[in-house]
Amino acid sequence: AQTVTQSQPEMSVQEAETVTLSCTYDTSESDYYLFWYKQPPSRQMILVIRQEAYKQQNATENRFSVNFQKAAKSFSLKISDSQLGDAAMYFCALNSGGSNYKLTFGKGTLLTVNP
Amino acid sequence: ETGVTQSPTHLIKTRGQQVTLRCSSQSGHNTVSWYQQALGQGPQFIFQYYREEENGRGNFPPRFSGLQFPNYSSELNVNALELDDSALYLCASSLGGVSKNIQYFGAGTRLSVL
Repeated sequence: AQTVTQSQPEMSVQEAETVTLSCTYDTSESDYYLFWYKQPPSRQMILVIRQEAYKQQNATENRFSVNFQKAAKSFSLKISDSQLGDAAMYFCALNSGGSNYKLTFGKGTLLTVNP
Repeated sequence: ETGVTQSPTHLIKTRGQQVTLRCSSQSGHNTVSWYQQALGQGPQFIFQYYREEENGRGNFPPRFSGLQFPNYSSELNVNALELDDSALYLCASSLGGVSKNIQYFGAGTRLSVL
C-alpha cells in the first residue's frame, strides 16, 4: 500500500515571500513518481511539478522547487516570490506503478497569500 | 490541443437513483482515470481505463462502474446512489497506463445526493 501525508492543513505567506509545504510518503516500490498539484477554487487540478524517484536532482519549475529526500521519504514544495495567484489547495501525490497506475493523494494544504 | 472536459458541471440526484458522468480525454491520450473527492479531502482513486479495458480499481463497491469508448472518452456510472456519494468526481487522462505519465485533470462534476 502507498500513503501520502500532508501535515499542514493550512499555510499562509506574504506576497513576494517564500513558503514551504511539507509532504511525506510511504511505498514499497523502488520506482515511483511524486507530484504536486494545485487546485484553485475553479476545482481543476493543475500539475505544478513532478519528481522521478531515481533522479537525485531536485525538480524545479520557475518559482517552484522541491526538496526530495528519498531516504526520509520526504517531498516538500518551495514556492518563491509568492503571488496572489498561488493561493489554492495544494496536493502532494504519489504514483508507484504496480498493476495499475493510480495517484495516491494527501489531504491537501490550503495556501493563503496575503497582499 | 483540447484539454480534459467533463459533463455535467453540477448534478443533483436523490438517494437510490442512478447517475452517469462523462469525460472527454485530452487529444492523443488513451488512458482515463476517475477519482472521487469528498469535501475537504484529497481525491480517491476509483478506477482506470486503458485502451477500453479496466486497468485497476480502487476500494469502491461494484455499483461504481465505468466504460471507455473507442475514441477514449469515458463514462462513470453510479447505481443506487447513497448520501455519501456526494462529492466532486474528477476525470484525468494520460498517455499510456504507466506511472511516469502525467495525468491531466478536468474541472470535475459536483454530485449532490439528497
